Amino acid sequence: NAGVTQTPKFRVLKTGQSMTLLCAQDMNHEYMYWYRQDPGMGLRLIHYSVGEGTTAKGEVPDGYNVSRLKKQNFLLGLESAAPSQTSVYFCASSFFRSYEQYFGPGTRLTVT
Amino acid sequence: AQSVSQHNHHVILSEAASLELGCNYSYGGTVNLFWYVQYPGQHLQLLLKYFSGDPLVKGIKGFEAEFIKSKFSFNLRKPSVQWSDTAEYFCAVNAPGSSNTGKLIFGQGTTLQVKP
Repeated sequence: NAGVTQTPKFRVLKTGQSMTLLCAQDMNHEYMYWYRQDPGMGLRLIHYSVGEGTTAKGEVPDGYNVSRLKKQNFLLGLESAAPSQTSVYFCASSFFRSYEQYFGPGTRLTVT
Repeated sequence: AQSVSQHNHHVILSEAASLELGCNYSYGGTVNLFWYVQYPGQHLQLLLKYFSGDPLVKGIKGFEAEFIKSKFSFNLRKPSVQWSDTAEYFCAVNAPGSSNTGKLIFGQGTTLQVKP
């Protein structure tokens, strides 16, 4: 099993450009999450999903959109990238009614 | 808002020294507690977890943590650290009322540097 995978691993964007980050899991997990990691701030939840076709806002949702059209995939979109969105983005997933999350390898995004 | 505090932001130890990383949470209800580790350039991995029962839990690589309900704490310990323990450590607790979402609240992280 690959577990949780993320695409791409690295990306550099210019201000105003858009992009989509893909997260895929092969563990049949119901729940999926997108976090951003910034120095000294830990992990902050951007958006999450409790099942196919459902999404909800987390702690820092502004400037991001998500979609979960298939159970195994969770997409994070940036419509108009800003330098403040320079960060490392982690996807995670977990079983139904479980708090134990499994993380992907991360995407390092730089917005210039 | 509920929060998780890790008191030590950057810890430097020599090999064989003992380690204790502090973690306090502000939520007073039923808690599920985690410590995750992130080795340089890698993703977060589960180190140990507490759901219920014995408040002293043992994890991988010789780590353990003690849940003290009265102190709202879940401190991580290791008797003798190794250079390979150099990593960032995150404490996490379930968000209140989140049994149907699995949401966690993470602390700010503690960077541990072990000198050989």
